[in-house]
Amino acid sequence: KNEVEQSPQNLTAQEGEFITINCSYSVGISALHWLQQHPGGGIVSLFMLSSGKKKHGRLIATINIQEKHSSLHITASHPRDSAVYICADSEAGNQFYFGTGTSLTVIP
Amino acid sequence: GEEVAQTPKHLVRGEGQKAKLYCAPIKGHSYVFWYQQVLKNEFKFLISFQNENVFDETGMPKERFSAKCLPNSPCSLEIQATKLEDSAVYFCASTPMGVEQFFGPGTRLTVL
Repeated sequence: KNEVEQSPQNLTAQEGEFITINCSYSVGISALHWLQQHPGGGIVSLFMLSSGKKKHGRLIATINIQEKHSSLHITASHPRDSAVYICADSEAGNQFYFGTGTSLTVIP
Repeated sequence: GEEVAQTPKHLVRGEGQKAKLYCAPIKGHSYVFWYQQVLKNEFKFLISFQNENVFDETGMPKERFSAKCLPNSPCSLEIQATKLEDSAVYFCASTPMGVEQFFGPGTRLTVL
């Protein structure tokens, strides 16, 4: 059974802080996804990665295939980063297996 | 279209009534997935289609839930005789064939 676990479940940070959210999964996958969900519900895909590291603006995602672990980092956090961050893994054509999400609040 | 479209945005039903949700995948995407988000962060896979064929229905409740993807029509998810526990946001996602899925905005179903 594919299990995806995230930590922490809730995170509060001061504006400007460096934030790390962790994700671990139990079986081999094709890709690991980081998603963002704002209040109001829409899901935005931030990253899809199968190896190494990706960067987009202040967001960085890394994955270690051997350890079945991925991290999402946010540098210089801002209140607009407040959202739920969800990791999910998948294989081509198959369903996403979602983590439990990390609710991030960035305080001005 | 270039985005996954879902209708309606909100749906309110009395317990026991039928609910029907629609999803128009991105043109050219052959896979469609339905997910149910019950609590804030808890997603449950329901069913997936490859074109009009059921690809994986392992998450679909055996009773009351049905889904179709017919040619030249939006895909649909129907719940017969809704129950309070069916209250959730239902997301549809599509993909051309690969690993990345593109999510629709969701339909919030409230069963009273």
